[in-house]
Amino acid sequence: GQQLNQSPQSMFIQEGEDVSMNCTSSSIFNTWLWYKQDPGEGPVLLIALYKAGELTSNGRLTAQFGITRKDSFLNISASIPSDVGIYFCAGTAGNNRKLIWGLGTSLAVNP
Amino acid sequence: DTAVSQTPKYLVTQMGNDKSIKCEQNLGHDTMYWYKQDSKKFLKIMFSYNNKELIINETVPNRFSPKSPDKAHLNLHINSLELGDSAVYFCASSPSKGTANQPQHFGDGTRLSIL
Repeated sequence: GQQLNQSPQSMFIQEGEDVSMNCTSSSIFNTWLWYKQDPGEGPVLLIALYKAGELTSNGRLTAQFGITRKDSFLNISASIPSDVGIYFCAGTAGNNRKLIWGLGTSLAVNP
Repeated sequence: DTAVSQTPKYLVTQMGNDKSIKCEQNLGHDTMYWYKQDSKKFLKIMFSYNNKELIINETVPNRFSPKSPDKAHLNLHINSLELGDSAVYFCASSPSKGTANQPQHFGDGTRLSIL
C-alpha cells in the first residue's frame, strides 16, 4: 500500500536538544496528522494540519503543512526524557477515504 | 472513562485456533477502524466501519471478519490463526463520516502471539 517517507528513522539526542523530523509524499495531501506512540500504548494525536502553509504549536511541539502540500515537519524544542517514543506522520489525499501512515521516527533522549 | 477500549490486552494461542478481539468506544464517534502493527511498527489499516457499515476492507485474508453490532462497537474475529498473524492489533475511532481526515483515537492494542 501507499506509504509516506518519514525521516529520520531513529534519533538519539541529549536532553535539552531540539529535534526535527519530516514526512514527504509523491502526491498532494489534504491533511497531515502527527501522532506519538509510547511503549505498550496506542498512538496519540499531537497536531492536526488542514491547510497548506499552516503552522501549529502544541506546547514544545510545532508542526507545519508544507506549501507544496507534499510534506510536513514536526519540531520538538528543548527535549525531555518523556519525549521518548515513536512519532508517526499520517495524512490523507484524494477523496480522503484512507489515512496513509509513515514508518515512524523512533526518538531516544539521554538525560 | 477510557475512550477506546479493547479486550483482551494480551492473547496467546495456538496456530489453527479461532479468536476474537473486542473494541468499544464511548466518544460518540461514527467511524471505527482496525489496524495491524507489525514488529517493525508499521501501522496497516485493515477495516473501517462507518455507523455499522463496512467502508474499507484492505486486502485482508477472509479469515479476518469484523463485526459491528452498533456504532460504538467493532469486534474482530480471526479464524484458523497463522504464525504471521502475530502482531499488535489496534482499534481506533473518529468523528468523521466515511472520510479519514479527522483525528483518530486509538485503544491500547491487543498483543496477539501465535505459538
